[in-house]
Amino acid sequence: KAGVTQTPRYLIKTRGQQVTLSCSPISGHRSVSWYQQTPGQGLQFLFEYFSETQRNKGNFPGRFSGRQFSNSRSEMNVSTLELGDSALYLCASSFPAHTQYFGPGTRLTVL
Amino acid sequence: QKEVEQDPGPLSVPEGAIVSLNCTYSNSAFQYFMWYRQYSRKGPELLMYTYSSGNKEDGRFTAQVDKSSKYISLFIRDSQPSDSATYLCAITQGGSEKLVFGKGMKLTVNP
Repeated sequence: KAGVTQTPRYLIKTRGQQVTLSCSPISGHRSVSWYQQTPGQGLQFLFEYFSETQRNKGNFPGRFSGRQFSNSRSEMNVSTLELGDSALYLCASSFPAHTQYFGPGTRLTVL
Repeated sequence: QKEVEQDPGPLSVPEGAIVSLNCTYSNSAFQYFMWYRQYSRKGPELLMYTYSSGNKEDGRFTAQVDKSSKYISLFIRDSQPSDSATYLCAITQGGSEKLVFGKGMKLTVNP
């Protein structure tokens, strides 16, 4: 089976812009989670979607949002980018429960 | 108090050494325990998954959970240069896909 894919792999934006990241889960996986990884804070949970519904949300501002489509693909959006949003954004799909498989990530740089 | 504490290292060992990686957690509600390996510029890779106290072995890797002490460990026997990576512990409660990660320990195995 193909693994989790994320696009784009690298992205450079300027402050104030918005960005959309895409994630395609492993075939058959219906749960998709998003994480932010930075050197200072490590890996932090953003949100989780299952069957197009957000099931869990981490402690991030409302500028961070996501959605899931009927084919389980997911997108996350960050509006009004700040310098501190520079990070590796990781998507993971899971099946069975609690066994999460991560994609390679999208490295976002905000200038 | 952080939910999960992990010594960030770094740790450098000679090839063939036994490596011990540890995490402590604060919330007894956590029931599922995982170890991930992350190579540079890659997404985390699931290594071990346990849900009860005791040991679980997979090849050269042994995961150990002590729920009474809220302490989890990963042992790597006969370490190889290819084991050089960052190792992250992760924990979650039942009914949630939200993983709480340790900061990660950077391991270098020297030939």
